[in-house]
Amino acid sequence: KAGVTQTPRYLIKTRGQQVTLSCSPISGHRSVSWYQQTPGQGLQFLFEYFSETQRNKGNFPGRFSGRQFSNSRSEMNVSTLELGDSALYLCASSWGTGGRETQYFGPGTRLLVL
Amino acid sequence: DAKTTQPPSMDCAEGRAANLPCNHSTISGNEYVYWYRQIHSQGPQYIIHGLKNNETNEMASLIITEDRKSSTLILPHATLRDTAVYYCIVMGDKVIFGPGTSLSVIP
Repeated sequence: KAGVTQTPRYLIKTRGQQVTLSCSPISGHRSVSWYQQTPGQGLQFLFEYFSETQRNKGNFPGRFSGRQFSNSRSEMNVSTLELGDSALYLCASSWGTGGRETQYFGPGTRLLVL
Repeated sequence: DAKTTQPPSMDCAEGRAANLPCNHSTISGNEYVYWYRQIHSQGPQYIIHGLKNNETNEMASLIITEDRKSSTLILPHATLRDTAVYYCIVMGDKVIFGPGTSLSVIP
């Protein structure tokens, strides 16, 4: 089975721009979670989508948003980019939701904001 | 959502067992303990998980205390490729990663 894939792998943007990242889960998985990883804050939970509905959200500003499509693929969007948004963005998929399902992570998208 | 506490770093000699401790004193009765590891800027890799019983798979063993307030991940024969940051997580509705333990396997 193919693993979680994320595109693009690397991205450079400038302040004020917006960016969309994509995540394709493992086949059959219906839940996708997004995380931000920075050297200062570590791995932080952004949000989780299950069956096209946002189930949980972390403590991030409204500039961070996401969605999930009927095929379980997910996108996250960051508007009005700030320098502090430079990070590794990871997505993880699981079969179900509710904290009892093993999450499998993708390789991440490294975003650099200049 | 329960939080975890891990030592920031540990060393282990190659070929020896690596024992990584984790405290999760606020864990709820239906929350699972998960272990992941991350090798330099790659996505975290699932290792093992458990609820109350000890678990073993091809990668590691997980020992959970009877009161479930702490656990230990055991890598039975550490190799240089096991050098990574190891995260102990209590899986609730929101997944909270701590800073993890940076394990260095020394030749």
